[in-house]
Amino acid sequence: DAGVIQSPRHEVTEMGQEVTLRCKPISGHDYLFWYRQTMMRGLELLIYFNNNVPIDDSGMPEDRFSAKMPNASFSTLKIQPSEPRDSAVYFCASSLGVVRGAYTQYFGPGTRLTVL
Amino acid sequence: AQTVTQSQPEMSVQEAETVTLSCTYDTSESNYYLFWYKQPPSRQMILVIRQEAYKQQNATENRFSVNFQKAAKSFSLKISDSQLGDTAMYFCAFSNTNAGKSTFGDGTTLTVKP
Repeated sequence: DAGVIQSPRHEVTEMGQEVTLRCKPISGHDYLFWYRQTMMRGLELLIYFNNNVPIDDSGMPEDRFSAKMPNASFSTLKIQPSEPRDSAVYFCASSLGVVRGAYTQYFGPGTRLTVL
Repeated sequence: AQTVTQSQPEMSVQEAETVTLSCTYDTSESNYYLFWYKQPPSRQMILVIRQEAYKQQNATENRFSVNFQKAAKSFSLKISDSQLGDTAMYFCAFSNTNAGKSTFGDGTTLTVKP
């Protein structure tokens, strides 16, 4: 298996622009997570999905952030408009989840976002 | 709500020596899972070891082992024969059996010195 795939690996954009981050989870995994990691705030869970349905988006910082999972093999995290304080590494992770009794999360390589 | 505490922000160890990273957690659940993840400087987080709370025996994976003290809600990671490649940030995480998500600690940055 190729593991969790994220694109792009690096994104540099200017303040006010729309940014879209993409994730392909491991095939067969029921759960998908989006995290943000910064030096100041550490690793933060933004939102997670179960079977393509958002379960908890309480970590999404504000309305500028939105996430979708249109099917089992694809998810996006969008920031519109972007701000310099959104600069961070964004990770996507997936897991088999509760039903199958497996909770280990498999992380993607991350997207390093820089907003100028 | 569950919380996970890693009280050592940074640690260092000499190559070939043994080091122990601490983790405590708080939960009212009786069955749950605990994890240690490693994030090397290349950034990708990977699982090091996991422990199921209902199992008495401490998990072991090669040079990595845990000391799971359920009553004390403690879950420490021991790395034996430390190698330069063990240099990374280590995260302790908790997952109960009813929720799909995990709660992560703030991480411990481990540096292995030659």
